[in-house]
Amino acid sequence: AQSVSQHNHHVILSEAASLELGCNYSYGGTVNLFWYVQYPGQHLQLLLKYFSGDPLVKGIKGFEAEFIKSKFSFNLRKPSVQWSDTAEYFCAVNAGNNRKLIWGLGTSLAVNP
Amino acid sequence: GAVVSQHPSWVICKSGTSVKIECRSLDFQATTMFWYRQFPKQSLMLMATSNEGSKATYEQGVEKDKFLINHASLTLSTLTVTSAHPEDSSFYICSARDPTAVSYNEQFFGPGTRLTVL
Repeated sequence: AQSVSQHNHHVILSEAASLELGCNYSYGGTVNLFWYVQYPGQHLQLLLKYFSGDPLVKGIKGFEAEFIKSKFSFNLRKPSVQWSDTAEYFCAVNAGNNRKLIWGLGTSLAVNP
Repeated sequence: GAVVSQHPSWVICKSGTSVKIECRSLDFQATTMFWYRQFPKQSLMLMATSNEGSKATYEQGVEKDKFLINHASLTLSTLTVTSAHPEDSSFYICSARDPTAVSYNEQFFGPGTRLTVL
């Protein structure tokens, strides 16, 4: 069965630290990959997505993610986090002809000022 | 473009009553919409896939008679929580796909509806 795993459940960083959140999926074929963010009390927002082409994807607010097919990974990165990046981050995968999104459990990021 | 709205944004009801939540695609026609449930500090749980003009496809463990889904038009899907109980209190989120978009597998999310059953 298709699955998505996010390795870091809770991450605490200081401002200006670098961030990398892991995301791995299980599916051998074509995938569409997404990272969503949910700020406290707000709804889901798309950070970035990968469908095809350059495996290094740049999103909003300085985030980027790299699709490494051989590792079935789509890790999210930001070189320097801010307090305002405190939020829940969700990785999601749409695999093959399956129209459903498979979600990771999410990572709670807290950035201390 | 690709805006999805939900109404109401929050609702409080008494145990035993039914509550209807609407999900609308405002600037595109959505043949497929999805209904999710999210518990505090947890990920989204897909409840059902709503297909325009046909019956919804429910995920395993989701009661069809409890959570009635209707997708009567290309821009509107409704979720009715029947005979609501306190354990149904949750954050309900809908999403929609734009079949004409290049990234047609992308889902666009509504802002969610907070349901509290007393």
